[in-house]
Amino acid sequence: GAGVSQSPSNKVTEKGKDVELRCDPISGHTALYWYRQSLGQGLEFLIYFQGNSAPDKSGLPSDRFSAERTGGSVSTLTIQRTQQEDSAVYLCASSSGLPHNEQFFGPGTRLTVL
Amino acid sequence: AQRVTQPEKLLSVFKGAPVELKCNYSYSGSPELFWYVQYSRQRLQLLLRHISRESIKGFTADLNKGETSFHLKKPFAQEEDSAMYYCALSGTNDYKLSFGAGTTVTVRA
Repeated sequence: GAGVSQSPSNKVTEKGKDVELRCDPISGHTALYWYRQSLGQGLEFLIYFQGNSAPDKSGLPSDRFSAERTGGSVSTLTIQRTQQEDSAVYLCASSSGLPHNEQFFGPGTRLTVL
Repeated sequence: AQRVTQPEKLLSVFKGAPVELKCNYSYSGSPELFWYVQYSRQRLQLLLRHISRESIKGFTADLNKGETSFHLKKPFAQEEDSAMYYCALSGTNDYKLSFGAGTTVTVRA
């Protein structure tokens, strides 16, 4: 089957606009993660879903960031009123339901905020 | 709080030479440690994890709880090992990964 997919692959937006990033996990994976990869900060955890619930949102940097997951599958990360510091590669990963299982990563969405 | 430190941003070695990537961690419980790798224009992928005690592509990593380290080693580097390597930690019964800053390895012919 296909791996984790993300769309769009690239997104350029103007400061102040809202953006939505999409993640399609591997079929059957109950756990889904969002990470952010930026030059200054490395790879940072944002949020984790188990099914449609998000037990850990501790990495979301501000209330401009939100995410949801529907049907235990697709997830959307929304950034409102984007700022230049939001520019980064946003990575999605999925894994089967146990802690410490291998996480399978998507190709990422490169977000550029002008 | 949990933290992963990779002190080397860049590492350059010659083909056939040994390579060691350092990783130190800070965590109060019993962590699970991983190495993830990102080859050029490819996705981030798991290289190895402590729990499985495997040797992948000739790489090994030993968890040293006394020194809180999980260094990655390979006795004879190959050009195809050139990549970005991330050390990561997952806490007890935790799902998320905390990553180090990464080490870019270049293997020269």
